[in-house]
Amino acid sequence: DARVTQTPRDKVTEMGQEVTMRCQPILGHNTVFWYRQTMKQGLELLAYFRNRAPLDDSGMPKDRFSAEMPDATLATLKIQPSEPRDSAVYFCASGPEGLARYNEQFFGPGTRLTVL
Amino acid sequence: DAKTTQPTSMDCAEGRAANLPCNHSTISGNEYVYWYRQIHSQGPQYIIHGLKNNETNEMASLIITEDRKSSTLILPHATLRDTAVYYCIVRVNNDMRFGAGTRLTVKP
Repeated sequence: DARVTQTPRDKVTEMGQEVTMRCQPILGHNTVFWYRQTMKQGLELLAYFRNRAPLDDSGMPKDRFSAEMPDATLATLKIQPSEPRDSAVYFCASGPEGLARYNEQFFGPGTRLTVL
Repeated sequence: DAKTTQPTSMDCAEGRAANLPCNHSTISGNEYVYWYRQIHSQGPQYIIHGLKNNETNEMASLIITEDRKSSTLILPHATLRDTAVYYCIVRVNNDMRFGAGTRLTVKP
């Protein structure tokens, strides 16, 4: 049963610290997405990649957030420095090759980030 | 992108059909209607999608009006495990924008 995996599942850190969240997309999927969910804003798309190239990161605060795909099996989302307002659940999702309009997105279990 | 309007919450009796409406009056011709749901503390889960025709799969049915300005997701026999937030999304590319969704509570 292929699934998107995310690590860590929970992260508590102090303001100013660097946070790295990792995602392993489903093998063979060529699109990867990062979302953030808060009670106030709901689910927000931060960035997405196709074939490891960033296609859109307009939803991501550029000054402190960065997203990369070092290889096809790993996507990372980094926050440096972290702030309390970054506290949220961060979801990674991946999708298969093909016309975008047909693509399902398969979501991981999320990383719950708390910045004190 | 077209926006969607959904009721904030709905209740449904276990075993009965759950009908979740969605308005998307500004949808354009090449935008698809997608439904996802999110069970508490989990990532969103794909349910179904369609363009013009009604669609059915093992999870649900999607009824799209002829003018495509609204749609209804039907869970034919709701169970307690169907309690979740249901999101209606219109999209033409990978830029999928989630709204607030409908919180469906299935009651025994």
